[in-house]
Amino acid sequence: EVQVLESGGGLVQPGGSLRLSCAASGFTFNNYGMSWVRQAPGKGLEWVSTISGGGANTYYADSVKGRFTISRDNSKNTLYLQMNSLRAEDTAVYYCAKVVVRLAYGMDVWGQGTTVSDSS
Amino acid sequence: EIVLTQSPGTLSLSPGERATLSCRASQSVGSNYLAWYQQKPGQAPRLLIYGASSRATGIPDRFSGSGSGTDFTLTISRLEPEDFAVYYCQHYDNSRFTFGPGTKVDIK
Repeated sequence: EVQVLESGGGLVQPGGSLRLSCAASGFTFNNYGMSWVRQAPGKGLEWVSTISGGGANTYYADSVKGRFTISRDNSKNTLYLQMNSLRAEDTAVYYCAKVVVRLAYGMDVWGQGTTVSDSS
Repeated sequence: EIVLTQSPGTLSLSPGERATLSCRASQSVGSNYLAWYQQKPGQAPRLLIYGASSRATGIPDRFSGSGSGTDFTLTISRLEPEDFAVYYCQHYDNSRFTFGPGTKVDIK
């Protein structure tokens, strides 16, 4: 079964750090770009970051550039999001999603999300 | 940066009715990199339509997408009870993704 499973969310104080993980299975992980998408409570979807299949290319939304770092370990089929200098507005459910070029860059596999909350 | 606008914000319909959802881009979308997602409360989004008009695997044919340039439409031909949800359009351009604000389809 093709799936991704996020972990690592939690309570964090403003200015703190957190690392999210996304474990993938059921597909050839290094063949696909992967993205993080977040959703603040009661709000819509916001793209956060994308990394290419090999990991060489990374892209960020302006709202997180310079604070968040996306990476992947293809030997472990795992995607990461290192979040530093966290702000209250980073509170959200964070989803990882598989990006498929042949689906016009649609995201066809999503995890159930991991929640990052402001502890203040 | 392309901005996506979705209308209406909320669509109140009865099961069996036809739903027509609009997504408008602030400038022309190249190569139809336009997708639609469905999200139910407490669940992750699900890809419905990619490339503006192609259904993703396993999506019923009552869902259809159309449009080009700046105006795109998601049509649900006959609403089933499980179709009441929030729908988002999404655009890809130059390594960046943009989501629209969503349209909620609720039961009238």
